[in-house]
Amino acid sequence: DTAVSQTPKYLVTQMGNDKSIKCEQNLGHDTMYWYKQDSKKFLKIMFSYNNKELIINETVPNRFSPKSPDKAHLNLHINSLELGDSAVYFCASSHKSGGNTIYFGEGSWLTVV
Amino acid sequence: KQEVTQIPAALSVPEGENLVLNCSFTDSAIYNLQWFRQDPGKGLTSLLLIQSSQREQTSGRLNASLDKSSGRSTLYIAASQPGDSATYLCAVLANAGGTSYGKLTFGQGTILTVHP
Repeated sequence: DTAVSQTPKYLVTQMGNDKSIKCEQNLGHDTMYWYKQDSKKFLKIMFSYNNKELIINETVPNRFSPKSPDKAHLNLHINSLELGDSAVYFCASSHKSGGNTIYFGEGSWLTVV
Repeated sequence: KQEVTQIPAALSVPEGENLVLNCSFTDSAIYNLQWFRQDPGKGLTSLLLIQSSQREQTSGRLNASLDKSSGRSTLYIAASQPGDSATYLCAVLANAGGTSYGKLTFGQGTILTVHP
């Protein structure tokens, strides 16, 4: 069974479009994250939610809006996509704001053309 | 600002060798340190987690050590196999006033190739 699942896995879209990436975890964790891996393979945190409450917003442009309808879901909506948004986006989850092991999804490859 | 550096950037070894991957971090005020494995086109798999109060963790052929005061961690892989080929990432978890906020800072990774 997939612990952290995100969809879609691959997404190719044009500049200016709005798109969403969905994430669900079935581990019963209370904290979820979005990380971005750029073309140089650097992984950086974007957002962290604990019990549906925003904990970390790492100076991400406000075109990116996370939404957590419940503890098991954290979706990422991106408005007005730009070429520089092309990256791999990883969803992750853990207990207690990361004090324990953080589990990652398999990533969503976003290409903006 | 926390910075994590991994050395070497890439490593190619013959099967059976023991090897060491290095990770250093600039701010010793960490909550824990995790080593991950990333296969091409895949997500991250957690290998070992060392709490800030611990010195090492072992899982099978993997052993990770942590020297928080010097800002260093090593991942030791014994008897390497072709299936170990992957990118290995080190990440430290920020410790903000005793409460962890889940902010992992990653190194750039070491690309390991084990050839038969």
